[in-house]
Amino acid sequence: DARVTQTPRHKVTEMGQEVTMRCQPILGHNTVFWYRQTMMQGLELLAYFRNRAPLDDSGMPKDRFSAEMPDATLATLKIQPSEPRDSAVYFCASGSGTDTQYFGPGTRLTVL
Amino acid sequence: KQEVTQIPAALSVPEGENLVLNCSFTDSAIYNLQWFRQDPGKGLTSLLLIQSSQREQTSGRLNASLDKSSGRSTLYIAASQPGDSATYLCAVWSWTGGSEKLVFGKGTKLTVNP
Repeated sequence: DARVTQTPRHKVTEMGQEVTMRCQPILGHNTVFWYRQTMMQGLELLAYFRNRAPLDDSGMPKDRFSAEMPDATLATLKIQPSEPRDSAVYFCASGSGTDTQYFGPGTRLTVL
Repeated sequence: KQEVTQIPAALSVPEGENLVLNCSFTDSAIYNLQWFRQDPGKGLTSLLLIQSSQREQTSGRLNASLDKSSGRSTLYIAASQPGDSATYLCAVWSWTGGSEKLVFGKGTKLTVNP
């Protein structure tokens, strides 16, 4: 049963620290998404890649956030330095082109 | 700029009732529209995907329709059950300003009361 996996599932850190979240997309999927969800803002698309190339990162704060795909089996989202307002659940999803997306379980980030 | 709206934001119904959730979008140049379900504390689960050339898709008690000309989609849930309680989101892929864009609605929180 193919699934998107995300690590860590929970992360508590102090303001100013670097946070790295990892995602393993479903094998064979060529499109990987990063989302952020909060009660106030709802679900926000931060960035997405197709064939490991970034296609749209307009939803991502450029000064502190960065997203990469070192290879087809790993996507990373990094926040440096982290701030309390970054506290949220971060979801990764994968799919084929614009077809159905499959979401991971999320990383719950708390920045104190 | 594509905007996706879901009304109502919350809906509460008794078990067994048939119900309709609404999703509207402003730009009809879409590739497809997807309906998702999200349970509390979980990621989204895809329910149905309608390509721009299709009018509807069905899966079990769920039926999703698409009317591109009016910028609307509906998700029909037949014979609702307490297990259908969740937040339902729609998402639209469209071609805007020379690039593809994915936009989500804010969702409708459904509660089905036993």
